[in-house]
Amino acid sequence: SQKIEQNSEALNIQEGKTATLTCNYTNYSPAYLQWYRQDPGRGPVFLLLIRENEKEKRKERLKVTFDTTLKQSLFHITASQPADSATYLCAPRYSSASKIIFGSGTRLSIRP
Amino acid sequence: NAGVTQTPKFQVLKTGQSMTLQCAQDMNHEYMSWYRQDPGMGLRLIHYSVGAGITDQGEVPNGYNVSRSTTEDFPLRLLSAAPSQTSVYFCASSPSAGGELGYTFGSGTRLTVV
Repeated sequence: SQKIEQNSEALNIQEGKTATLTCNYTNYSPAYLQWYRQDPGRGPVFLLLIRENEKEKRKERLKVTFDTTLKQSLFHITASQPADSATYLCAPRYSSASKIIFGSGTRLSIRP
Repeated sequence: NAGVTQTPKFQVLKTGQSMTLQCAQDMNHEYMSWYRQDPGMGLRLIHYSVGAGITDQGEVPNGYNVSRSTTEDFPLRLLSAAPSQTSVYFCASSPSAGGELGYTFGSGTRLTVV
């Protein structure tokens, strides 16, 4: 079965720096991979989707990469702000499945 | 446009009781799903539906039932509550099963079974 691994330890970053979160998967590559943000007591919010044939995707201060050789997606937040503090979830979707599975998330804390 | 609405927000049940968690969406999304979220375990899929009248099991379906009589509503029934079902439950919807446009989540129901 497919496994998704996100760093379970919280990531603490100084404001203004670039935060990089990792999502690793096993076995075969997903057709695409989504990233979500979740704030305490709230449901996840969709941020970005990157497809298997895309190396990189950008949206404002967010950048996502997809490396099928390393079986890894990286999620970057540039010029990080305290308001970026949240838990970030990766969610790959495999073309053979009709559902998306979620990683357990990485908690990001941006200190002023 | 309310998005995905879940009720109730909080619920305490006694072991053995049954109840229904409500989920409604007003975006005409075909795909709806239920997840539970436990500390350190992320979101786990309970049941999902690709359209009215069609439901299927996810990773952890035992102890839960669903039905989809309309596009808008996707209730989750706990048949006989157990302490292991203490969790936060999220309903999500998407225009299609593939979720290429992302899932829209409700704000969750925090359930405690004593």
